[in-house]
Amino acid sequence: ELKVEQNPLFLSMQEGKNYTIYCNYSTTSDRLYWYRQDPGKSLESLFVLLSNGAVKQEGRLMASLDTKARLSTLHITAAVHDLSATYFCAVHNDMRFGAGTRLTVKP
Amino acid sequence: DADVTQTPRNRITKTGKRIMLECSQTKGHDRMYWYRQDPGLGLRLIYYSFDVKDINKGEISDGYSVSRQAQAKFSLSLESAIPNQTALYFCATSGRGVAGANVLTFGAGSRLTVL
Repeated sequence: ELKVEQNPLFLSMQEGKNYTIYCNYSTTSDRLYWYRQDPGKSLESLFVLLSNGAVKQEGRLMASLDTKARLSTLHITAAVHDLSATYFCAVHNDMRFGAGTRLTVKP
Repeated sequence: DADVTQTPRNRITKTGKRIMLECSQTKGHDRMYWYRQDPGLGLRLIYYSFDVKDINKGEISDGYSVSRQAQAKFSLSLESAIPNQTALYFCATSGRGVAGANVLTFGAGSRLTVL
């Protein structure tokens, strides 16, 4: 059974700091997705990673995919308050989601 | 109007009642999904449908049923609601994207409380 594990589940960081969220999955997949959910809102697509070695960047967020290690990372550079949200990874097989990482960026 | 519309947005019901959550989309997508969200558990897939004649169980289909009435409509039913089905339910759709990408577009969610 496919398992998708994110860590950390909770992340509190100060503005200006860097950090990485990890997404491990248990079976072979060459496609992975990242979504963002603001409090009380629905989910929105952030990144689509379609192959091994794929890297996508938008603003202060950068996502990468290593299909051999079954690992995707979401790197946050110089965090700002507006990035506070819950971030989910989802593996293409079965469209299964991780538990989410709740990020809080403090001044 | 939203691309993916869920009704009702909020519902409080009692144990044993039958509940239907409805989802309609204007994106012309073939694929539709129902997820539930519980704190700390992420989103768990209940059912999904790749076209009108195709219905598939997800991770947690027990206690739920679905109907794909048309390409644009996918409803989720709880035949006899129980308290542990209290959750936030999301409908999502996807088309056949570039390189097989399957990006989901989500509805606003339906919050269900079973007393």
